[in-house]
Amino acid sequence: EADIYQTPRYLVIGTGKKITLECSQTMGHDKMYWYQQDPGMELHLIHYSYGVNSTEKGDLSSESTVSRIRTEHFPLTLESARPSHTSQYLCASSEWSGTGSYEQYFGPGTRLTVT
Amino acid sequence: GDSVTQMEGPVTLSEEAFLTINCTYTATGYPSLFWYVQYPGEGLQLLLKATKADDKGSNKGFEATYRKETTSFHLEKGSVQVSDSAVYFCALSGSGGYQKVTFGTGTKLQVIP
Repeated sequence: EADIYQTPRYLVIGTGKKITLECSQTMGHDKMYWYQQDPGMELHLIHYSYGVNSTEKGDLSSESTVSRIRTEHFPLTLESARPSHTSQYLCASSEWSGTGSYEQYFGPGTRLTVT
Repeated sequence: GDSVTQMEGPVTLSEEAFLTINCTYTATGYPSLFWYVQYPGEGLQLLLKATKADDKGSNKGFEATYRKETTSFHLEKGSVQVSDSAVYFCALSGSGGYQKVTFGTGTKLQVIP
């Protein structure tokens, strides 16, 4: 059973505030990801990590930053939130399934609203 | 690059109707194919997968067959329930360096009693 957690689930914050979205997994997966999901449902990869001290930007340019100091923890930070950052943020991790594929496990998401 | 195209929604069906959600893909090599489901207010959950041509993935009454000749992975269910109302994402995982998953744009399914 996959165990990946995100906090907070919902966040309403004013423009200019610094925020950190937390993501933790207890499965020991090396690979972790952050997606931004727009209201039209489409997923956009914004950051990923192969392992500790490894982070890369994804397909969609984002003003957020990430860090990976511990295997289980992959927080995302916005230094100065803006209304354009309003979205759903999904964290995921993956492992080799042993049957020829990597499977991604998703957290429940954080819905961020910047006013 | 890799891409996934799935039918636009929303799809509205009556309970016990037959469901098909079309998905086609473009990829080099031999990708693995997935269907994920997202219930309201939640993250995505893996519904089923297939890792090679002619494989059939199945779970909870849903099925999809990996068709390499038509580059398709259509999702089907013989009799939908109200509880199946959700957004369904077709996805593929290629052999890229970080095992990137490419998602389709999602199809919203609404099942009415």
